[in-house]
Amino acid sequence: SQQGEEDPQALSIQEGENATMNCSYKTSINNLQWYRQNSGRGLVHLILIRSNEREKHSGRLRVTLDTSKKSSSLLITASRAADTASYFCATDEYNAGNMLTFGGGTRLMVKP
Amino acid sequence: EPEVTQTPSHQVTQMGQEVILRCVPISNHLYFYWYRQILGQKVEFLVSFYNNEISEKSEIFDDQFSVERPDGSNFTLKIRSTKLEDSAMYFCASSERGRSGEQYFGPGTRLTVT
Repeated sequence: SQQGEEDPQALSIQEGENATMNCSYKTSINNLQWYRQNSGRGLVHLILIRSNEREKHSGRLRVTLDTSKKSSSLLITASRAADTASYFCATDEYNAGNMLTFGGGTRLMVKP
Repeated sequence: EPEVTQTPSHQVTQMGQEVILRCVPISNHLYFYWYRQILGQKVEFLVSFYNNEISEKSEIFDDQFSVERPDGSNFTLKIRSTKLEDSAMYFCASSERGRSGEQYFGPGTRLTVT
């Protein structure tokens, strides 16, 4: 598998429920960033978690990072219809400069 | 809130033509990037730029591509002779710091090569 693979590929939930998306990667990283993309639009930066951090919060978002398992999760609590989008993790690999390597994304649909 | 801007939002060009995609990074940022996303595929890194020179580039960024910071605000990506497979969404990004800095993306330019 490739660096930065999200799981599941698609997720459909009801408004008010929590959504959890997972990301796995293969190499050592400096940080991992999560982005949101509405259909055909730009990438919106959500949160960055550094390799020495285990958990980070921003509003309704909670991100965890387990470097021993090379995985991260993004939790969106109390989801809203406006959260409907694709969510991508992107890794900044150790000793690979500043380039980000993106996963394939999770398509989240929140039904009103 | 400062944001990265890109123009045009959509560019249609014929195969073999040159295109220039323009970006205005966030004003206090020092590191600039181009990525692309072919429809239905992952976002792919093309090139990073710092201190008026390319710092990294991917295999995609061949001799047909070039980048330039012609003045203090713009950052451009030129494709000299477009191919059908260059059709994609091109994203510009910038960051205040290099390693471990948040990268903020523009809204993208959709390039269609016919």
